[in-house]
Amino acid sequence: RKEVEQDPGPFNVPEGATVAFNCTYSNSASQSFFWYRQDCRKEPKLLMSVYSSGNEDGRFTAQLNRASQYISLLIRDSKLSDSATYLCVVNGDTDKLIFGTGTRLQVFP
Amino acid sequence: EPEVTQTPSHQVTQMGQEVILRCVPISNHLYFYWYRQILGQKVEFLVSFYNNEISEKSEIFDDQFSVERPDGSNFTLKIRSTKLEDSAMYFCASSGGGGTYEQYFGPGTRLTVT
Repeated sequence: RKEVEQDPGPFNVPEGATVAFNCTYSNSASQSFFWYRQDCRKEPKLLMSVYSSGNEDGRFTAQLNRASQYISLLIRDSKLSDSATYLCVVNGDTDKLIFGTGTRLQVFP
Repeated sequence: EPEVTQTPSHQVTQMGQEVILRCVPISNHLYFYWYRQILGQKVEFLVSFYNNEISEKSEIFDDQFSVERPDGSNFTLKIRSTKLEDSAMYFCASSGGGGTYEQYFGPGTRLTVT
């Protein structure tokens, strides 16, 4: 089983749509969970940390289910500028980050 | 807003040559990292560094690689004898704490080995 697994997409959605990404991780000892955004040939940029209680930042909502080792990201009211690759990231037993392969999102007008 | 910076943005080198990639982490951060991303693949951890020593390194980080914090601001990655398969984007990251703290990435250095 891959350490962090994501659907690669692409997800093609119209502006204004709601889209959800899912991710599973294999190491039950992981303590920290993040969503990063990566534009083509750019660095990963932290979108949000993910907490057990779930958290929301504007149009973005992240959820964590430790029992199922499952993380989700919901984007409401998609904008053209949301087009990017969304990376599910967890830490291992230490502070090294383990990245998924990413889910590509394309928002069209 | 403080950010991680990296130089050069693109480095082209011949196989067997040494390269040094440079990073200036966020100024009050204490934990530093190097990651790499081969084109079309996922981001992979190389090494973490804290208190002037390596905390952890991956299998990729073999004897050809080394890291150094030569002064109070720079953090460098040296590849002693580059191979074709070292061609990748190299990202530096820094964090205010280890463990669960968030890591912030620099813009990367694209290394091309010919």
